[in-house]
Amino acid sequence: GDSVTQMEGPVTLSEEAFLTINCTYTATGYPSLFWYVQYPGEGLQLLLKATKADDKGSNKGFEATYRKETTSFHLEKGSVQVSDSAVYFCALSSAGGTSYGKLTFGQGTILTVHP
Amino acid sequence: EAGVAQSPRYKIIEKRQSVAFWCNPISGHATLYWYQQILGQGPKLLIQFQNNGVVDDSQLPKDRFSAERLKGVDSTLKIQPAKLEDSAVYLCASSLRGQGSSYNSPLHFGNGTRLTVT
Repeated sequence: GDSVTQMEGPVTLSEEAFLTINCTYTATGYPSLFWYVQYPGEGLQLLLKATKADDKGSNKGFEATYRKETTSFHLEKGSVQVSDSAVYFCALSSAGGTSYGKLTFGQGTILTVHP
Repeated sequence: EAGVAQSPRYKIIEKRQSVAFWCNPISGHATLYWYQQILGQGPKLLIQFQNNGVVDDSQLPKDRFSAERLKGVDSTLKIQPAKLEDSAVYLCASSLRGQGSSYNSPLHFGNGTRLTVT
């Protein structure tokens, strides 16, 4: 079945540091890939997505590139801010089948950014 | 547009009691999902509705969990009787998926209900 594996957390950085959160996946066919973010006390929000190989999703300074050859979708940001402190989830969605549109999530990575 | 509404935000019950959660999706969204998020883990799909029909309930513990979506709008998720391991955040999400839109239309999540079973 489909699965998503994220790097172990938590991740603690200083403001303006470079961020990478690794994500790899296993899926049949050609899934769409997503990053969701969960700020304290809030629900999950879509951060960015990519729907086919070599697509780059980007939003709020975050980027991730869909790498089919390495089955990866690593999240990066060049300069993090304190306000980026949150839990980040990598997810995939497979087309077709009975679970149309079902999202499969990784375990989440807690990011804390200090001033 | 108004987001996905869930209630209550918090619930504390004793084991073997019953509990119900309510979700109102975004207007016009035919697909509705219930996810269970245990502390330190990613959300896990419990059940998916398309209008008022069940698309996927393969991971729903049917001996104690039930869900319904009458009239294809609001949904309720019930646990009876609750166990300690049911302590989690229960997330509701809705989407335009399956309505002629691409399968990669985003899911919109509510803020969740945090359940503590003692």
